[in-house]
Amino acid sequence: EVQVVESGGALVQPGGSVRLSCAASGFTFSSYAMTWVRQAPGKGLEWVSGISGSGVSIYHADSVKGRFTISRDNSKNTLYLQMNSLRAEDTAIYYCAKLDRGYGSGAYLDYWGQGTLVTVSS
Amino acid sequence: SYELTQPPSVSVSPGQTASITCSGHKLGDKYACWYQQRPGQSPVLIIYQDNKRPSGIPERFSGSNSGNTATLTISGTQAMDEADYYCQAWDSNTVIFGGGTKLTVL
Repeated sequence: EVQVVESGGALVQPGGSVRLSCAASGFTFSSYAMTWVRQAPGKGLEWVSGISGSGVSIYHADSVKGRFTISRDNSKNTLYLQMNSLRAEDTAIYYCAKLDRGYGSGAYLDYWGQGTLVTVSS
Repeated sequence: SYELTQPPSVSVSPGQTASITCSGHKLGDKYACWYQQRPGQSPVLIIYQDNKRPSGIPERFSGSNSGNTATLTISGTQAMDEADYYCQAWDSNTVIFGGGTKLTVL
């Protein structure tokens, strides 16, 4: 059974940092691209970052570019999101999602985690 | 930047057909997906590659995509279908979501 489980959400002060993790199981992790998607309270879904199966290709939304870094450790079947210089507008539930193939057009997000809440507030 | 536009809300009576649209420039040239998000839950993929259903998704859910509009159709809508629905496509290497549509089953 495919599972992705996020952790690491926290209450963080503006300007602070936090690292999210996503533990994957039930599939050959290195063969699939992964993404992070966030949802601010009461708002819609917003794509944050994506990474290829090998970890060589990474992509970030303009809203987080230069502040967030996506990475993966295929030996640990784990996806990460390092979040620096956090702002109030980064407050959201962060979902880890598996793509059905390699990263790119036509792929779809076939498995989602339960999400982890990041709150940026003083 | 590429945008997908959805109506904020759609209402339907139980047993009737609900249609939710998603508009974007030449969206028909891309693949569209749809996700269902029930209150307090994570999104679930219900349609991929315009009109395919993942295993376990009821047949009452169907999709189409042509021109500038993708459409999610729910036939014989049930109370359990009340949820937020999001369309999704790609623009280069960016995942694009529509703003979401709240489906109310009256």
